[in-house]
Amino acid sequence: SAVISQKPSRDICQRGTSLTIQCQVDSQVTMMFWYRQQPGQSLTLIATANQGSEATYESGFVIDKFPISRPNLTFSTLTVSNMSPEDSSIYLCSVQTRGVYNEQFFGPGTRLTVL
Amino acid sequence: AQSVAQPEDQVNVAEGNPLTVKCTYSVSGNPYLFWYVQYPNRGLQFLLKYITGDNLVKGSYGFEAEFNKSQTSFHLKKPSALVSDSALYFCAVRDGDSWGKLQFGAGTQVVVTP
Repeated sequence: SAVISQKPSRDICQRGTSLTIQCQVDSQVTMMFWYRQQPGQSLTLIATANQGSEATYESGFVIDKFPISRPNLTFSTLTVSNMSPEDSSIYLCSVQTRGVYNEQFFGPGTRLTVL
Repeated sequence: AQSVAQPEDQVNVAEGNPLTVKCTYSVSGNPYLFWYVQYPNRGLQFLLKYITGDNLVKGSYGFEAEFNKSQTSFHLKKPSALVSDSALYFCAVRDGDSWGKLQFGAGTQVVVTP
C-alpha cells in the first residue's frame, strides 16, 4: 500500500480566489488521480496527473479551472481557480502503484468550503 | 462505457445480524471490481477487490464479496455486523482493458444499531 498525505486538510475560501492542494506519496507510483466528492455525492474523477506532461481531464473539467502539476513520481498539486460556492467539495488524491490489477489508494481528502 | 449501480441509499441492520450491500456493474471488457469504505471526515479505505479467480473474495475487517458474472453483481457481505461498521460504502469498477479510471457507485450508507 501507499501512504498519502494532503495539504491542507480543510480550508474556507472567498469566492473568486484560488486554492492549491498538495498530494504527497511515500513511494513512487505509476498513476495519480484527483477526484471530487460534492456534498452527499459519490466520487467523480477530475483528471489523471501525468508526470512530466499535461494532465488528462475528464469530460466537464478543464485545465483553466483545475490546473494540475506533477513534477515527479511522488508529488502532485491541484489548483481550484476562481472559486465559487459550487466548488465546495472534498477533493481527494488517489494513487495506483505499478500493475494494472492493483487497487487505488486514497488520501484523507481536502474539505473545501467557498463562501 | 462503464457504470456501477448501488440500488440502496441506506441499509439498516442490527448488530450481530448479517450485512449485505448490493452492487451491479456494466463494463465492455473484463470487470475489475472494488469495494471502499468511507468513515466520517475520512478518506476512502480499500476493503477488497475482484480481478480474476475465485468468485468469493475476502477482504479487510471480516468483509467478503461475491462476484456473479451472469447477474453482473458484486455484493458486499459481512456475516455479523458491528456498530463500528456504520459508514458509507462505495462499489467501483474498472474496465480491465483500460488503465486507471475507476467508476464509482453512488454509495450506500450502512447504519448498524446496537
